[in-house]
Amino acid sequence: NAGVTQTPKFRILKIGQSMTLQCTQDMNHNYMYWYRQDPGMGLKLIYYSVGAGITDKGEVPNGYNVSRSTTEDFPLRLELAAPSQTSVYFCASSYSSGANVLTFGAGSRLTVL
Amino acid sequence: GQNIDQPTEMTATEGAIVQINCTYQTSGFNGLFWYQQHAGEAPTFLSYNVLDGLEEKGRFSSFLSRSKGYSYLLLKELQMKDSASYLCAVMDSNYQLIWGAGTKLIIKP
Repeated sequence: NAGVTQTPKFRILKIGQSMTLQCTQDMNHNYMYWYRQDPGMGLKLIYYSVGAGITDKGEVPNGYNVSRSTTEDFPLRLELAAPSQTSVYFCASSYSSGANVLTFGAGSRLTVL
Repeated sequence: GQNIDQPTEMTATEGAIVQINCTYQTSGFNGLFWYQQHAGEAPTFLSYNVLDGLEEKGRFSSFLSRSKGYSYLLLKELQMKDSASYLCAVMDSNYQLIWGAGTKLIIKP
């Protein structure tokens, strides 16, 4: 019972490079989320999905893209990496919205130089 | 705008009691969550309040006053393993979570 699995844990990118952060959950959760966490700030929602084939922008979507082809997978794509995207990224899932608790992945620390 | 305020850092002694406050101003209210996050790890769920009052769960309790836009997390019999950041998050009228920046709790022996 793995929960939410994120890869990679660490990555250094050069400005302008692209990469994909992978996220998989095995809890059959409908809702999945991508957050970024910067020092001294609250978690910021990048994108979320309420089910396979459905995605929507969060608070800070610029520079990112997502897809949700299956219930289990919710990859986050960074196109043309910029230093402002240096952050810790968390994928999370929940069964539904409302009072449902979020289960987070272990996080991915990304540095853009 | 929407805002969640928490103290940046608090220090307490092992075995003591500490109260971490959270005040919020959001567009609507559909519940308040507390999460614990150890350094370098993912947040994990602690508590959920949607009605006024105190919810007790072992050494941890959480209180909510919707009229005051205020919550606190009470930690009793502090242990060294309680050293962590504590995140307050409010679910707004659109069922979106608004997160505070977190309170770093340092426990001293």
